[in-house]
Amino acid sequence: RKEVEQDPGPFNVPEGATVAFNCTYSNSASQSFFWYRQDCRKEPKLLMSVYSSGNEDGRFTAQLNRASQYISLLIRDSKLSDSATYLCVAFNSGTYKYIFGTGTRLKVLA
Amino acid sequence: DTGVSQDPRHKITKRGQNVTFRCDPISEHNRLYWYRQTLGQGPEFLTYFQNEAQLEKSRLLSDRFSAERPKGSFSTLEIQRTEQGDSAMYLCASSGGRTGGVNTGELFFGEGSRLTVL
Repeated sequence: RKEVEQDPGPFNVPEGATVAFNCTYSNSASQSFFWYRQDCRKEPKLLMSVYSSGNEDGRFTAQLNRASQYISLLIRDSKLSDSATYLCVAFNSGTYKYIFGTGTRLKVLA
Repeated sequence: DTGVSQDPRHKITKRGQNVTFRCDPISEHNRLYWYRQTLGQGPEFLTYFQNEAQLEKSRLLSDRFSAERPKGSFSTLEIQRTEQGDSAMYLCASSGGRTGGVNTGELFFGEGSRLTVL
């Protein structure tokens, strides 16, 4: 079993739709979590950090449930430019290791 | 450009040859990571350095793989006797302050070195 698991998709959604991605992690020693975005043939870039209290950045909302070891990302009012792969990441501040999920592919259709 | 740089960007080699990749991290970062990524997969952790010390090495890294960061600045990843299964994108990333201060959580990636083994 992978340490960080995501549904690989693809998720094909129309412009303006709301889409949610889920991620689970198995290592309870992970303390911090992130969503990274990766465009085709490009390097991953930080989208946002994930906090237990939930955090929002414009159209993006991330949530963490430590009890269920579950992380989510919600994208509202999808734009064509949101088409990318979204990578869920667990970080262990004891080992300084970042573990990535397989990524979820999103395609926003006109 | 003060980002992470990797060289070469593309490498095509024949099976059995050795290859070496170089990574120059952001200068004030003390942690440097190597990942491997294949199509449809997320980046897989290979190894990481804190300054010049290699602190962890994945079981994915067979004894054909070696990484160094001799002066705590740039790093090299060498693959000996390459196999077709080594074909992948090799990503380098850096993070953390020189004094090992608070980690913001952001990993800064280079554009990667794409390896094709024929």
